[in-house]
Amino acid sequence: KQEVTQIPAALSVPEGENLVLNCSFTDSAIYNLQWFRQDPGKGLTSLLLIQSSQREQTSGRLNASLDKSSGRSTLYIAASQPGDSATYLCAVGDSWGKLQFGAGTQVVVTP
Amino acid sequence: NAGVMQNPRHLVRRRGQEARLRCSPMKGHSHVYWYRQLPEEGLKFMVYLQKENIIDESGMPKERFSAEFPKEGPSILRIQQVVRGDSAAYFCASSLAPLAGAPEGEQFFGPGTRLTVL
Repeated sequence: KQEVTQIPAALSVPEGENLVLNCSFTDSAIYNLQWFRQDPGKGLTSLLLIQSSQREQTSGRLNASLDKSSGRSTLYIAASQPGDSATYLCAVGDSWGKLQFGAGTQVVVTP
Repeated sequence: NAGVMQNPRHLVRRRGQEARLRCSPMKGHSHVYWYRQLPEEGLKFMVYLQKENIIDESGMPKERFSAEFPKEGPSILRIQQVVRGDSAAYFCASSLAPLAGAPEGEQFFGPGTRLTVL
């Protein structure tokens, strides 16, 4: 049974520091991995999708890596800004596209 | 190109009533997923549908919950005889296709429907 864990559960950094968010999963037979951002009371915004054959994806200040064999993904956010404050969710997808989510990392970036 | 639409955004029901949640996928998307986020819990998969077909309903409670995605119109998640434990945020997501490792499998989420059962 797949389990997805995100560490840390919460993170507070001063503006300008780099953020490192970790995601681990127990079953390496995943088809893709998606990182999302969720603001309080809002829906999910897709940040990056990494296909099972890829090792990383980049978009602007965001970079996500994937190591299927060790069951890990890391999301890096460079030069954090107060607007980056949100909950970040990692989700692994199976062959049907069904996503299994971690509990999230709540990020606060202080000015 | 409008994103995934959900309505209503907020729904209040008394115990025993029915709740109907609607989801219109992104244009061109024929795959719809419903997820539930209970208070202080993570998002959990409920059901995966294609037009006129339920593909995977392994996350749906066995009773009172049903879902459909008709040939025309939005996908509907229906909860009969609601109880307080049904209070949650219900999210719908759509994708082009859940092809293994394909970018078309990227899921886009709607803003959610927040159901409160009194």
